[in-house]
Amino acid sequence: DTEVTQTPKHLVMGMTNKKSLKCEQHMGHRAMYWYKQKAKKPPELMFVYSYEKLSINESVPSRFSPECPNSSLLNLHLHALQPEDSALYLCASSHRLAGLNTGELFFGEGSRLTVL
Amino acid sequence: AQKITQTQPGMFVQEKEAVTLDCTYDTSDQSYGLFWYKQPSSGEMIFLIYQGSYDEQNATEGRYSLNFQKARKSANLVISASQLGDSAMYFCAMREGEDSSYKLIFGSGTRLLVRP
Repeated sequence: DTEVTQTPKHLVMGMTNKKSLKCEQHMGHRAMYWYKQKAKKPPELMFVYSYEKLSINESVPSRFSPECPNSSLLNLHLHALQPEDSALYLCASSHRLAGLNTGELFFGEGSRLTVL
Repeated sequence: AQKITQTQPGMFVQEKEAVTLDCTYDTSDQSYGLFWYKQPSSGEMIFLIYQGSYDEQNATEGRYSLNFQKARKSANLVISASQLGDSAMYFCAMREGEDSSYKLIFGSGTRLLVRP
């Protein structure tokens, strides 16, 4: 079983809805990530949080709003999405200090989002 | 410019045989890390193996080994004694640098199908 838990596993929403994706880890990792993965494509980085602060935003549209309430939780708030935003959204976490370990990312199983 | 290149969109292998999945990379950094992840149809990204740029020996993890040729900038994954459960998408990824905001960049992936 993965140690990164994502909810919900599936989400269907209309273009006017507001919803949130949630991610939780209890491995003491201080970096958390959101990736977006379209069908048959590799994951694409969206956001990186380091010590609860946003450190990387890969020019993601503002209809995606990340939030890191504490070191264990990561949310992705969704508002006014488009059908092309339908994808698998993967959360991941890692240790932060270079040299502490390999820097491997631990991924959750993802939230599959469909925008109608 | 493409940083990680996987030239094999799909591969077949007979059960119990070995298979090599190709990966080449491009970076000007001296310090970097290379990863392989497996993604079954469930969606979760499963870490398989890691090779650091300063590691002199090829990494091995059970049936997985990484054929690291630094001068050629290649990091091929070798799976020995293939099993039916190895059928999945495989992604090569690279981490550049050692600062605290590193990114993991993925190649386009190779879909492996193990035949009984």
